[in-house]
Amino acid sequence: GENVEQHPSTLSVQEGDSAVIKCTYSDSASNYFPWYKQELGKGPQLIIDIRSNVGEKKDQRIAVTLNKTAKHFSLHITETQPEDSAVYFCAASWFPHTKLIFGAGTRLAVHP
Amino acid sequence: EAQVTQNPRYLITVTGKKLTVTCSQNMNHEYMSWYRQDPGLGLRQIYYSMNVEVTDKGDVPEGYKVSRKEKRNFPLILESPSPNQTSLYFCASSPLGQGAGGELFFGEGSRLTVL
Repeated sequence: GENVEQHPSTLSVQEGDSAVIKCTYSDSASNYFPWYKQELGKGPQLIIDIRSNVGEKKDQRIAVTLNKTAKHFSLHITETQPEDSAVYFCAASWFPHTKLIFGAGTRLAVHP
Repeated sequence: EAQVTQNPRYLITVTGKKLTVTCSQNMNHEYMSWYRQDPGLGLRQIYYSMNVEVTDKGDVPEGYKVSRKEKRNFPLILESPSPNQTSLYFCASSPLGQGAGGELFFGEGSRLTVL
């Protein structure tokens, strides 16, 4: 069945460093790739998403890259801050509001 | 304030005792969905609804029921809870239609423990 693998499961960085989280999906028909951030005790919140017709998208310190041939997509956070500490989930689906498959999550810790 | 509200936030119950987790959104969203979150498994979809009276199964529907009688409400029903339904549950909503994007708006979660 469809699957999204996410690595690493935990990531620890120093404030100001960059963080990269990688995901691989199995369904080649996937076209929509969102990233969600979940802070402690809260529900996930969308931070960025990308469609398959775009290779890269940036929003301030956050960027997502997509390689459809390799079925990889990655989240890049630059100049990390302590408030970036959270669990991050990648996901993939054929189209928004069709079945969304989530990765297992990455716990990011940013140390001052 | 635009939000998705779930109740209860925490619940400890016993095997076989029927329970309902309510979900309400005030954003007039057509799409609503339930997920469960388990360590190492991410979020898995239980049921979703594209509009009133339209519901469909997600990846893990066994042991759950839903109904969508009103646009704003999407309750999750566990008719006979079992310990393997101990989990953190999230309700989410999203607008449909052209230009709506795909953002899911999540509630704050309901932690359920079945003894």
